[in-house]
Amino acid sequence: AQSVTQLDSQVPVFEEAPVELRCNYSSSVSVYLFWYVQYPNQGLQLLLKYLSGSTLVKGINGFEAEFNKSQTSFHLRKPSVHISDTAEYFCAVSASGGSNYKLTFGKGTLLTVNP
Amino acid sequence: GAVVSQHPSRVICKSGTSVKIECRSLDFQATTMFWYRQFPKQSLMLMATSNEGSKATYEQGVEKDKFLINHASLTLSTLTVTSAHPEDSSFYICSASAGVPYNEQFFGPGTRLTVL
Repeated sequence: AQSVTQLDSQVPVFEEAPVELRCNYSSSVSVYLFWYVQYPNQGLQLLLKYLSGSTLVKGINGFEAEFNKSQTSFHLRKPSVHISDTAEYFCAVSASGGSNYKLTFGKGTLLTVNP
Repeated sequence: GAVVSQHPSRVICKSGTSVKIECRSLDFQATTMFWYRQFPKQSLMLMATSNEGSKATYEQGVEKDKFLINHASLTLSTLTVTSAHPEDSSFYICSASAGVPYNEQFFGPGTRLTVL
């Protein structure tokens, strides 16, 4: 089984500042890793994913994340945030093998970008 | 591409009634669909996984007789909350996967259920 820990439940930042949302995972098998964004009363939108290969993954809206296997982390970063980035962010993990890729989500981090 | 819709987006019902929520993959065939429940300011909890033409697999603690899931075609899955009660009020989100290349899940916009 897999588990995900998002260390910060809330992250307030000022507009144009850099931000890092932290995610650590636990798994006994190889994993795929994901970051999703959820705006109020909406479903989830995929920001980026790590499947294999380069550990630095670039996603939409200027976000990127780095997979660190030794530290079992997959932190999300953006060098300069906008007001529109205010949303809930979820880190998720699934096993990379098998036939049914269940996603296990972290508890989410609320990013609030202030003017 | 990879659009998933849910209907209705919002539903209010009286206690004791049943509510059906539809999840459709609009531009791809979904071999697997997932149903999640999300409480306010909390994460998504997987309720069940359904494969087209098969019975759904429910997660531990989810009442299969209360939350009926049907995946009758490769583009449609339904979740029926039977004899709904106020504690069933929640945000229900479905996702759909085409199975290849790595079973990426595409999420619907969610359905807000309020049981009075």
